[in-house]
Amino acid sequence: GESVGLHLPTLSVQEGDNSIINCAYSNSASDYFIWYKQESGKGPQFIIDIRSNMDKRQGQRVTVLLNKTVKHLSLQIAATQPGDSAVYFCAERRGKLIFGQGTELSVKP
Amino acid sequence: SQTIHQWPATLVQPVGSPLSLECTVEGTSNPNLYWYRQAAGRGLQLLFYSVGIGQISSEVPQNLSASRPQDRQFILSSKKLLLSDSGFYLCAWSRTSGGYEQYFGPGTRLTVT
Repeated sequence: GESVGLHLPTLSVQEGDNSIINCAYSNSASDYFIWYKQESGKGPQFIIDIRSNMDKRQGQRVTVLLNKTVKHLSLQIAATQPGDSAVYFCAERRGKLIFGQGTELSVKP
Repeated sequence: SQTIHQWPATLVQPVGSPLSLECTVEGTSNPNLYWYRQAAGRGLQLLFYSVGIGQISSEVPQNLSASRPQDRQFILSSKKLLLSDSGFYLCAWSRTSGGYEQYFGPGTRLTVT
């Protein structure tokens, strides 16, 4: 069944610290993974993606790591800022995008 | 650049009334289009997707239908709303080639009373 899941439903970090949001997936046939950020009342916003033939990809202040051995995906946010507070979703592609339930990131000033 | 619009932004409708939500995309041609529903701010459930005009695939049986009368227009409809149709409805688009990422619209908050 569909089982893109998140290890923690909420994450609270201090401003300036690094954040790590984790995601587990169950289907080794998934060939593409993506992270979205959703602020309250808004549509999800694309952050970064990674294909299954890679294990790391970096963007501006964000890094996605893919461990296919344990079917684990993570999003690292460097120097977390108050504007990073949102719900973060991972999704895997198996024909269509299958979304996880989301992790709420709260940044303390 | 590409933009995606949804309207209305919010809607309160009584049970049994009809529904029409509209989504339009600008700045791209022949996009794949999607309707999602999100309950309680978590998790996105794919309702419909379309790879071209008049081509609609339904993911789950439900009280809703979708249509694509023009290349960049996607409509979500219902003849009679149920209380369970309440939620946050999101439209998204993706390219037909060159990438799998989907880009979401601002959403419509539907409350059925």
